[in-house]
Amino acid sequence: NAGVTQTPKFRVLKTGQSMTLLCAQDMNHEYMYWYRQDPGMGLRLIHYSVGEGTTAKGEVPDGYNVSRLKKQNFLLGLESAAPSQTSVYFCASSYSGPSGIYNEQFFGPGTRLTVL
Amino acid sequence: GENVEQHPSTLSVQEGDSAVIKCTYSDSASNYFPWYKQELGKRPQLIIDIRSNVGEKKDQRIAVTLNKTAKHFSLHITETQPEDSAVYFCAASRSSASKIIFGSGTRLSIRP
Repeated sequence: NAGVTQTPKFRVLKTGQSMTLLCAQDMNHEYMYWYRQDPGMGLRLIHYSVGEGTTAKGEVPDGYNVSRLKKQNFLLGLESAAPSQTSVYFCASSYSGPSGIYNEQFFGPGTRLTVL
Repeated sequence: GENVEQHPSTLSVQEGDSAVIKCTYSDSASNYFPWYKQELGKRPQLIIDIRSNVGEKKDQRIAVTLNKTAKHFSLHITETQPEDSAVYFCAASRSSASKIIFGSGTRLSIRP
């Protein structure tokens, strides 16, 4: 199993450009997440999904959109990139066990995005 | 809103000594507390977690303690080794929720 994979690994954008980050998992997890990681600020949740066709906002959703058309994929879009979106983006997935018991999040390798 | 505070932000200890990282949480309904380790340039990975029905959990050189009354929990690493150098994140969640809140991280350095 590949676990959680992310595409691309690195990207440089100019202000105003758009792009989509792809996250894929092969563990049949229901929950998927997008985080951004900035120095000294830990992991901040952008958007998440509790199942195919559902999405919800996290702590810092502005400037981002997401879609979960297939259970194994979770896409993060930037419609008009800004320098403030320069960050490392991590995708994660987790399994919801019986009675909604929370479980470990499995992270992807990250995408380093620079917006000039 | 829900918040997790983590201290210290940086920690340097002599190899072989112990390291302690502390976190407090605001949501009294939280009942799941994982700790993640992130090595330089790598992804975060779970190293230990604890649920609210226990006060302490150990796994070899690492242990986590939980005080639900005070709403704080701690990570203890004994006999530190160079490979323990990393950023450590605490987090808190309700089992009924679908997301967890992370602390801001502690950069642990082990001095030879």
